[in-house]
Amino acid sequence: EPEVTQTPSHQVTQMGQEVILRCVPISNHLYFYWYRQILGQKVEFLVSFYNNEISEKSEIFDDQFSVERPDGSNFTLKIRSTKLEDSAMYFCASSGDLTGSYEQYFGPGTRLTVT
Amino acid sequence: GDSVTQMEGPVTLSEEAFLTINCTYTATGYPSLFWYVQYPGEGLQLLLKATKADDKGSNKGFEATYRKETTSFHLEKGSVQVSDSAVYFCALLMNTGFQKLVFGTGTRLLVSP
Repeated sequence: EPEVTQTPSHQVTQMGQEVILRCVPISNHLYFYWYRQILGQKVEFLVSFYNNEISEKSEIFDDQFSVERPDGSNFTLKIRSTKLEDSAMYFCASSGDLTGSYEQYFGPGTRLTVT
Repeated sequence: GDSVTQMEGPVTLSEEAFLTINCTYTATGYPSLFWYVQYPGEGLQLLLKATKADDKGSNKGFEATYRKETTSFHLEKGSVQVSDSAVYFCALLMNTGFQKLVFGTGTRLLVSP
């Protein structure tokens, strides 16, 4: 069964450093998303991406964040200068195959720890 | 804005007990409703969904019915197992389709033998 994959599973970085989180969405999906979950809290939407541009972004997704689909398979989230409060689990999701299904399928997540 | 409210956890049950996790929503239109499950150390898995009023979603013995009149989507299971211990998230998606999921805060379920 197709699945969303994410790398790395755990990333530790120092405050102020740049990180790139990587995702490989399900191959025939057209819509891609990033969500985050601070430990013990709810899952929060960050950004959605379609047709090589951002469709919607939350107020969390400020100028420190960017997303890219550098090739036909990867979808990345970059945090330019990490802050302690960026420590969270980051989930990638994808949806929207040719049948028009809008169910979102999630990857296993990347745990980001900023020290 | 759109929002989802779930009952506080943890919910602690003995094996074979009946489970209900309450979920209510606020939305300006007619959303699709979902339950996701997160097992310890894992990501989010879609458990079940319902796309319109009175639809019942079901999977792995879990059920939830979309109640428009009470804006609710309560999760139920007749007989829980230890392996059901996880965090359960209720979520909505507006029916324009390709938009963000709005999640509740999650409810932790602990099932003891």
